[in-house]
Amino acid sequence: AQTVTQSQPEMSVQEAETVTLSCTYDTSESNYYLFWYKQPPSRQMILVIRQEAYKQQNATENRFSVNFQKAAKSFSLKISDSQLGDTAMYFCAAGGVGGANSKLTFGKGITLSVRP
Amino acid sequence: DSGVTQTPKHLITATGQRVTLRCSPRSGDLSVYWYQQSLDQGLQFLIHYYNGEERAKGNILERFSAQQFPDLHSELNLSSLELGDSALYFCASSTFEVPVDGNTIYFGEGSWLTVV
Repeated sequence: AQTVTQSQPEMSVQEAETVTLSCTYDTSESNYYLFWYKQPPSRQMILVIRQEAYKQQNATENRFSVNFQKAAKSFSLKISDSQLGDTAMYFCAAGGVGGANSKLTFGKGITLSVRP
Repeated sequence: DSGVTQTPKHLITATGQRVTLRCSPRSGDLSVYWYQQSLDQGLQFLIHYYNGEERAKGNILERFSAQQFPDLHSELNLSSLELGDSALYFCASSTFEVPVDGNTIYFGEGSWLTVV
């Protein structure tokens, strides 16, 4: 079984600044994947970044990067040079590689507001 | 556009009724997932199909059922609807059964169900 916890319900950041969204997870799987999805007001779910648990190097995608701490089961998302279009709900998710854990388990999400 | 098509986009129906939500996965994708997003429950995994076979089941009510057809499209059937079933229902698809390298899960735009 997998659980994903996002303890901050909402955050606010000034445009052009950097913000970090926290996520912790728990899994019994030895091999798993972690994701951050963005849900803007349109409600579309958009993949932001993914991290394979077996990789030590933190994933990066342009202004988005993660801090993956495997031992601590922590997976935070850093957004640099925040833009107004980054305003959205952000969900952390974990996925296993077999059987009942092959689906994604999501946290409750965090609402990020970027102020002009 | 993720390539995952869901119909209808919006649906309003009365309590006790039955509805069918339809999902066409991205071309070539064999996996289909269904998720329910309500205000108080976040994103809840319902069920996962791979190439026509059920692979994992989440907290899906007995009043709900799903199937994946030979052409890989999927339908989620919701019956004896209650007010609490009002939610955004997402379909997602991916190429493989598990989120291995390069296998991203893409979400459709969702079907808004309102039960009155």
